[in-house]
Amino acid sequence: ETGVTQSPTHLIKTRGQQVTLRCSSQSGHNTVSWYQQALGQGPQFIFQYYREEENGRGNFPPRFSGLQFPNYSSELNVNALELDDSALYLCASSFDRYAYEQYFGPGTRLTVT
Amino acid sequence: DQQVKQNSPSLSVQEGRISILNCDYTNSMFDYFLWYKKYPAEGPTFLISISSIKDKNEDGRFTVFLNKSAKHLSLHIVPSQPGDSAVYFCAATLSGSARQLTFGSGTQLTVLP
Repeated sequence: ETGVTQSPTHLIKTRGQQVTLRCSSQSGHNTVSWYQQALGQGPQFIFQYYREEENGRGNFPPRFSGLQFPNYSSELNVNALELDDSALYLCASSFDRYAYEQYFGPGTRLTVT
Repeated sequence: DQQVKQNSPSLSVQEGRISILNCDYTNSMFDYFLWYKKYPAEGPTFLISISSIKDKNEDGRFTVFLNKSAKHLSLHIVPSQPGDSAVYFCAATLSGSARQLTFGSGTQLTVLP
């Protein structure tokens, strides 16, 4: 059974650019959630995807968008990058949208200069 | 407004002694609480959880206590081991269509040999 994987590990972008981060969910899981973790803080919920549809969203602007594919893998897209978008982006998968426990990948470290 | 708070950024404990990590919350609608452990360069790892209808849950060396009237939970690790040194996050979730986790800011636990 493979765990949650994310790519790339690190990324450096310039302000105003766009970025796509990728996540493969744990085998048997159909729900993926994305979190942003700024330095010294806990992860903050961005949104959740269940069976290819957005199933909930946190307090993030529309330039944060996502996709979920039929194999339940997912992408997080961020447009018009700002310096404050520099953070660790974590993907978590769960058995279904009602499951309490979420299992996290190692994250993608995004630096915006 | 931080709904989940971990007021101690760091804690040092001697190997073999008890580690007690604390967490407070403000939203009385939270119905499930979780503890995650995070090592550097890794994603958070699920540790233990507790439903709001219980006041204690135990798993090996780890015990979580919930005091609903005080809106307080704690994680006890007995005995503490050097490998337990990590950042510990408490998280809470609401019933609803999307199980989003609301995290505290974390406590760095250092277990001294």
